[in-house]
Amino acid sequence: GQNIDQPTEMTATEGAIVQINCTYQTSGFNGLFWYQQHAGEAPTFLSYNVLDGLEEKGRFSSFLSRSKGYSYLLLKELQMKDSASYLCAPAGTALIFGKGTTLSVSS
Amino acid sequence: DSGVTQTPKHLITATGQRVTLRCSPRSGDLSVYWYQQSLDQGLQFLIQYYNGEERAKGNILERFSAQQFPDLHSELNLSSLELGDSALYFCASSAWTSGGPRPTDTQYFGPGTRLTVL
Repeated sequence: GQNIDQPTEMTATEGAIVQINCTYQTSGFNGLFWYQQHAGEAPTFLSYNVLDGLEEKGRFSSFLSRSKGYSYLLLKELQMKDSASYLCAPAGTALIFGKGTTLSVSS
Repeated sequence: DSGVTQTPKHLITATGQRVTLRCSPRSGDLSVYWYQQSLDQGLQFLIQYYNGEERAKGNILERFSAQQFPDLHSELNLSSLELGDSALYFCASSAWTSGGPRPTDTQYFGPGTRLTVL
């Protein structure tokens, strides 16, 4: 079966660093996506990891450990506009989205 | 703007009715995916079409059906609507890849249709 676990909510302040964790179990594994979704809007692609390690893309980085079934999304220099839900989506035989972590950034 | 378009943006209807949601994928994309997102369930995969053919099925109710037309646009039909069908419905598309679609294809989402069933 498939199971995705990520925290429901997180809060942080502007300029800070936050790490959003995701653990998963899938039937087969072909990589993991992170998407950002602002309230009422479409999810937008952030990152895709297929190999172990850290992928850095500007203020956002994503890490994957396949042996541990674990990934995290690291957001640096937080801005108010980063307030959104962050969806972890492992690709097994199909792409399955977690329920997401709602991040609130305050000033 | 992802390049995926969906109409209508909002839809309000009554229980027992039938509605059709429309999606146009990004230019050149052959795969179309439909998702339902309600407050308590997160983003739930409904169905995928690839070049006109059904490719994968998720948690789609029998009251719901979809199709993809030769021009690659897709429609999601929801019938005998219930209050619990109120949700955001997203369409996504992904690019053509040799060998056919894969779970690892990056999906680009449309702006969604907000359905309210009263």
